Amino acid sequence: LAKTTQPISMDSYEGQEVNITCSHNNIATNDYITWYQQFPSQGPRFIIQGYKTKVTNEVASLFIPADRKSSTLSLPRVSLSDTAVYYCLVVFYGGATNKLIFGTGTLLAVQP
Amino acid sequence: NAGVTQTPKFQVLKTGQSMTLQCAQDMNHEYMSWYRQDPGMGLRLIHYSVGAGITDQGEVPNGYNVSRSTTEDFPLRLLSAAPSQTSVYFCASKSEGLARDEQYFGPGTRLTVT
Repeated sequence: LAKTTQPISMDSYEGQEVNITCSHNNIATNDYITWYQQFPSQGPRFIIQGYKTKVTNEVASLFIPADRKSSTLSLPRVSLSDTAVYYCLVVFYGGATNKLIFGTGTLLAVQP
Repeated sequence: NAGVTQTPKFQVLKTGQSMTLQCAQDMNHEYMSWYRQDPGMGLRLIHYSVGAGITDQGEVPNGYNVSRSTTEDFPLRLLSAAPSQTSVYFCASKSEGLARDEQYFGPGTRLTVT
């Protein structure tokens, strides 16, 4: 059964580092893990993507352990504008076809 | 380059009515998909397509039909609307591979079924 788990919400203060973890069993062994950010009344927006170990771009880092049963999005020095819902997106085997499935989402609230 | 466009932005239907949500992309993307997002909830995959003429079911396909006659368009049809289909519908597209590279999302269609 395709299932991902994320914390429902997290609180932080401006300037802190925030780590959000997504747990995902039985994902496809040869496909990417992606994280998206969503503001109210908007579609999700791509943040970062990785396959294994660590990936870093200008806005975030993504840590993926060797067993790929989880992934952790790291946001360095968050600001008020980072308040949003964050989703992981993974591939699950679906028999003859594979499917892209979003995680349950984590609401990050950044306070001054 | 308009990206992913969706029409209409808002729609109110009565139970039992049918309608088609339109989605178009001008990026020549092979992969397109439809998601629904209920209030305060995450996104659930309805149907997806890996290219013209090829579609498949997602997590919650019941009550919806899709077709992909061209690369650019991926309409979602509600056959007989029900209040449980009240939701925000997002269309998305991406270039290649199932998960590699980012998906581009449309602005969403807010559907209310009374």
